[in-house]
Amino acid sequence: DGGITQSPKYLFRKEGQNVTLSCEQNLNHDAMYWYRQDPGQGLRLIYYSQIVNDFQKGDIAEGYSVSREKKESFPLTVTSAQKNPTAFYLCASSTKPTGLEYQPQHFGDGTRLSIL
Amino acid sequence: QKEVEQDPGPLSVPEGAIVSLNCTYSNSAFQYFMWYRQYSRKGPELLMYTYSSGNKEDGRFTAQVDKSSKYISLFIRDSQPSDSATYLCAMNTGFQKLVFGTGTRLLVSP
Repeated sequence: DGGITQSPKYLFRKEGQNVTLSCEQNLNHDAMYWYRQDPGQGLRLIYYSQIVNDFQKGDIAEGYSVSREKKESFPLTVTSAQKNPTAFYLCASSTKPTGLEYQPQHFGDGTRLSIL
Repeated sequence: QKEVEQDPGPLSVPEGAIVSLNCTYSNSAFQYFMWYRQYSRKGPELLMYTYSSGNKEDGRFTAQVDKSSKYISLFIRDSQPSDSATYLCAMNTGFQKLVFGTGTRLLVSP
């Protein structure tokens, strides 16, 4: 089945530790995105990538890093510089936007990150 | 003031009721309007999206956009217990960066 796979489902981070969240898609989508969801807040964009080896910061990129070495994969690293990492992290993908026409974003089932 | 406002609910209705979910927004540049459904501990699922003003229907779901009032709605007819979820509105100016509402939790009781 085509879709977006995020792993692990639950992740725990110790103080001062970097952790990496995995996102893999087999939809042949060019664009991929990382969002953070907190209670009482809308999803907020962390990073996005429209093509391999290129990515841009979103609204809340501080304390996070990404790479895009393969079309199918867009891992997110939550670094120790992110002081409030506890949240639900969602990965999405879409076909590459052409001009101003919106291309729907489809989401994985998320990773819940907590601090030990 | 948030760019997109959405009542968090919960909104409780009996099975079979017509449900109305709404969002207001402040940025008149928004052109695309989406509705996502999110079950507990799952990712959002795109229900439908519309461009500019007007209505769009898909089965039991109807999305409505009123750009003059900066107001969008999602109507669910013949609501079912399986519709119980959080409904997120989202919008953008035509680029891929979405602005989300906080979500409305819907409870449909049998």
